[in-house]
Amino acid sequence: KQEVTQIPAALSVPEGENLVLNCSFTDSAIYNLQWFRQDPGKGLTSLLLIQSSQREQTSGRLNASLDKSSGRSTLYIAASQPGDSATYLCAVLIQGAQKLVFGQGTRLTINP
Amino acid sequence: GAVVSQHPSWVICKSGTSVKIECRSLDFQATTMFWYRQFPKQSLMLMATSNEGSKATYEQGVEKDKFLINHASLTLSTLTVTSAHPEDSSFYICSARRAGPLANTEAFFGQGTRLTVV
Repeated sequence: KQEVTQIPAALSVPEGENLVLNCSFTDSAIYNLQWFRQDPGKGLTSLLLIQSSQREQTSGRLNASLDKSSGRSTLYIAASQPGDSATYLCAVLIQGAQKLVFGQGTRLTINP
Repeated sequence: GAVVSQHPSWVICKSGTSVKIECRSLDFQATTMFWYRQFPKQSLMLMATSNEGSKATYEQGVEKDKFLINHASLTLSTLTVTSAHPEDSSFYICSARRAGPLANTEAFFGQGTRLTVV
């Protein structure tokens, strides 16, 4: 059974810092891995999608990497801003059942 | 990115009544949509997979008679919570994926529906 773990559960950093969020998964049989952002009381916004054959994807200040063999992904946020404060979720699309399996999320707070 | 619209964004209903939540893909056709439930400060729990023109596939432990799913068209899926009780109060989110190779197709999510049963 696929399990996705995100560390840390919560993170608070000063504005301007670069930071890394971690995601690990137990089964490498995935189609892709997706990073999402969720603001309180809202739905999910897709940030980046990395196909299983890819190593990284970049969008603006965000960079996501994928090491499928070790079951790890990281989301790097450069020059953090207070508007980046949200919960960040990673999810893997598992082969066979074709379902997204989510981690528990990292609650990020950027302090002005 | 693609747009998935969910309606209503919040609803309060009396215990014993039914509530319908709509999920629409606005700018693409979605043969498959997904319904999730999220408890406070927890991650998303998949309830069911909704397939256009056929019966939904429910996850283990989800009551199909309580949570009725209909996917009548390629752009609309509905979740009806029947005979709602206070324990059904939760945040419900739908998701849709474009048709195409699974490896490179993103899942897009609606804005969620906060259901409160009183």
